[in-house]
Amino acid sequence: DQQVKQNSPSLSVQEGRISILNCDYTNSMFDYFLWYKKYPAEGPTFLISISSIKDKNEDGRFTVFLNKSAKHLSLHIVPSQPGDSAVYFCAASRTSGTYKYIFGTGTRLKVLA
Amino acid sequence: NAGVTQTPKFRVLKTGQSMTLLCAQDMNHEYMYWYRQDPGMGLRLIHYSVGEGTTAKGEVPDGYNVSRLKKQNFLLGLESAAPSQTSVYFCASSFPAGGQETQYFGPGTRLLVL
Repeated sequence: DQQVKQNSPSLSVQEGRISILNCDYTNSMFDYFLWYKKYPAEGPTFLISISSIKDKNEDGRFTVFLNKSAKHLSLHIVPSQPGDSAVYFCAASRTSGTYKYIFGTGTRLKVLA
Repeated sequence: NAGVTQTPKFRVLKTGQSMTLLCAQDMNHEYMYWYRQDPGMGLRLIHYSVGEGTTAKGEVPDGYNVSRLKKQNFLLGLESAAPSQTSVYFCASSFPAGGQETQYFGPGTRLLVL
């Protein structure tokens, strides 16, 4: 049972436009969420996180939105740049849990120049 | 700072062979993790450790063993490799943060079991 789902395996966006990556989760006990970015032949790198006490967190061009009632989070990248082309994973955890993150399957973003 | 390093980068094994993957971190992190990444499956936690001398099972621990004899190293062992263990293995480490840890990942080890 996939508790964290990224239903879009891939996404193409024109440079300068907004990229929106989506993530859904099923476990209402999750209260901390992260996005990781992964380039080919490299390990994932942390991008941005959000706690369930917030509904939005911004860091430069990256904003994560959390809709707890819909069990949905999204990552917005504005403006998109060719260097943003990568695979993006969302992950979720319970802060009262045992240090485990559940990762989604990833969305491959391609930003076209 | 090298961050998190993994050895080897790539390995081919025959079914039934054994091997050990080494993860090393120089950030003085308490927590360390081993994940595997398979197509369409995301990253799945195999084992993790919350301190030197401690280990615990993750989502997919069967067929693997781990040891954390030194704080900076986390070893993943395959006693008898199977084709189903063909995957990319990532090690990660973090400081404790009350469930809000930021994990730092190594570059991965690509393992092919024939």
